Amino acid sequence: NAGVTQTPKFQVLKTGQSMTLQCAQDMNHEYMSWYRQDPGMGLRLIHYSVGAGITDQGEVPNGYNVSRSTTEDFPLRLLSAAPSQTSVYFCASSKGQGRTEAFFGQGTRLTVV
Amino acid sequence: AQTVTQSQPEMSVQEAETVTLSCTYDTSESDYYLFWYKQPPSRQMILVIRQEAYKQQNATENRFSVNFQKAAKSFSLKISDSQLGDAAMYFCAYRSWNNDMRFGAGTRLTVKP
Repeated sequence: NAGVTQTPKFQVLKTGQSMTLQCAQDMNHEYMSWYRQDPGMGLRLIHYSVGAGITDQGEVPNGYNVSRSTTEDFPLRLLSAAPSQTSVYFCASSKGQGRTEAFFGQGTRLTVV
Repeated sequence: AQTVTQSQPEMSVQEAETVTLSCTYDTSESDYYLFWYKQPPSRQMILVIRQEAYKQQNATENRFSVNFQKAAKSFSLKISDSQLGDAAMYFCAYRSWNNDMRFGAGTRLTVKP
């Protein structure tokens, strides 16, 4: 079972470049979200989606865009990379909200120089 | 907004001993869910245990158990008979019935042989 697949696993960007982090899940989960993990700060929510065509902002949305055209895919776009966006990014999916378990991808380590 | 606090950045335990990781949270909601996730060096996020706020009985999963004190808004994780494979970052997380997860900053657990 693939679960949640994130690509790439590592990426180095120059300041000002744009890129898309890919996330795909094969569990037919309605709910998907993106987090960033920084030392001493845990995981912070960037954007989330409760279903295809529906997205909303989380705690730290600035500098990121998302779209959800299918149930399976939830890409995260960095519009103009900044050193402050150096982080580890996680995509997660769950069948719903509440008590349902969130399944995470293996993360993308992004460095912006 | 809900906040989750893990006051112990690092903890260590001797192999086969018991350790307790602390977590407190702040919320005005009555219906919510609490989780402990483990993140080993591989970066993978793994669900350890979950607790529904409406349940008075503390959740247990093999060597892992929680002490849930709803009035005190406390949700600690106890690991019994610690093993070398328990060494990881542990994140406490809060989720309401209609919202995404909020994570604490994490506790790094070291297990000494």
